Amino acid sequence: GIQVEQSPPDLILQEGANSTLRCNFSDSVNNLQWFHQNPWGQLINLFYIPSGTKQNGRLSATTVATERYSLLYISSSQTTDSGVYFCAVHGWMETSGSRLTFGEGTQLTVNP
Amino acid sequence: SAVISQKPSRDICQRGTSLTIQCQVDSQVTMMFWYRQQPGQSLTLIATANQGSEATYESGFVIDKFPISRPNLTFSTLTVSNMSPEDSSIYLCSVKGGVYEQYFGPGTRLTVT
Repeated sequence: GIQVEQSPPDLILQEGANSTLRCNFSDSVNNLQWFHQNPWGQLINLFYIPSGTKQNGRLSATTVATERYSLLYISSSQTTDSGVYFCAVHGWMETSGSRLTFGEGTQLTVNP
Repeated sequence: SAVISQKPSRDICQRGTSLTIQCQVDSQVTMMFWYRQQPGQSLTLIATANQGSEATYESGFVIDKFPISRPNLTFSTLTVSNMSPEDSSIYLCSVKGGVYEQYFGPGTRLTVT
């Protein structure tokens, strides 16, 4: 099945700093999503971005499908940005066909 | 988008018992997905539930341990049976909001003692 790798695994920032999170995937994909999991465990949809660039406030994402990677940019980070950021792609599962496959996540901590 | 609710939000259970988690969606959907997230880990797909047919389980998950019901197009349940401490996880329900985009419920945080 498809492999999804995220980097870095951990990131510690001071409030106000910028950061870039990376997601590499092993095969062509129909869908790529970025999620933020808050400290309470809820997964929040950030971007649905199979290709191109999108922006939403301080966050933006770029996916270069031909080179099999996506980047999530966080500018002027705030303490509320803390949590785990997951990249997920629609990959092929042996038993059930096309399904969403998650990377291992980037644990972001923003200190005041 | 889709609005998904889950019950219970959290529970503490004794080993050997079973817990049934409910998932309700605000619109009709063909497929519903159940994921498990063990502490400090990523999300793993348990099974896919289609209305009117048996759930399809991923490798490493079996129906006897995680029976699933899908009585209609807006509701599903996942039961975690004969629980052990290794079952302590967050269990999440998910649906597709469009062709590929998926949305997740708030999760059920299960602790088995």
